[in-house]
Amino acid sequence: DTEVTQTPKHLVMGMTNKKSLKCEQHMGHRAMYWYKQKAKKPPELMFVYSYEKLSINESVPSRFSPECPNSSLLNLHLHALQPEDSALYLCASSQDTTYQETQYFGPGTRLLVL
Amino acid sequence: AQTVTQSQPEMSVQEAETVTLSCTYDTSENNYYLFWYKQPPSRQMILVIRQEAYKQQNATENRFSVNFQKAAKSFSLKISDSQLGDTAMYFCAFWKGAQKLVFGQGTRLTINP
Repeated sequence: DTEVTQTPKHLVMGMTNKKSLKCEQHMGHRAMYWYKQKAKKPPELMFVYSYEKLSINESVPSRFSPECPNSSLLNLHLHALQPEDSALYLCASSQDTTYQETQYFGPGTRLLVL
Repeated sequence: AQTVTQSQPEMSVQEAETVTLSCTYDTSENNYYLFWYKQPPSRQMILVIRQEAYKQQNATENRFSVNFQKAAKSFSLKISDSQLGDTAMYFCAFWKGAQKLVFGQGTRLTINP
């Protein structure tokens, strides 16, 4: 089973709302990632969790707050977003963060900020 | 700096034809892995094939194969007998140091009936 699931599939929120994106994997992977992807562009790394600890934050604005409650679950809490934050948010996981590991991606959450 | 370059923003071929997508990369490392990912219009990113730099033999997965030229830092993807379901964005990717997967800008491939 190489499945990464993400909920919700679509999300529309106002700039004053608080919402959360959820990502789950049951492959026993110890590394999980959040990416932001704009249309016709490659994914841009936002955060990396390794063994449930935040190991990389790519200078992401504080209105995005990641959380890794356990090794299978990754959340992205959203607050006071801007319209330019509208994008596809992808979650991925891998066995660990060494260079030979394949990342498996979820289907993404398409976010629209009004 | 480690970068990945895909020089073909868009390509279009007829069904059953063979198509090659190009990718070049820059690194000072000796051991590394390269990946091709496919992202169909449904948006799920799927691994197509990966290549280990220390292996001289080119990786193959069914209709997909790579031409890996380590000295030239080139990693092209060949799709044989192309099918309508191969229509997608294709991203070449490379591990940048620890924990980061760096993507090229992508090639939008369209297979026409």
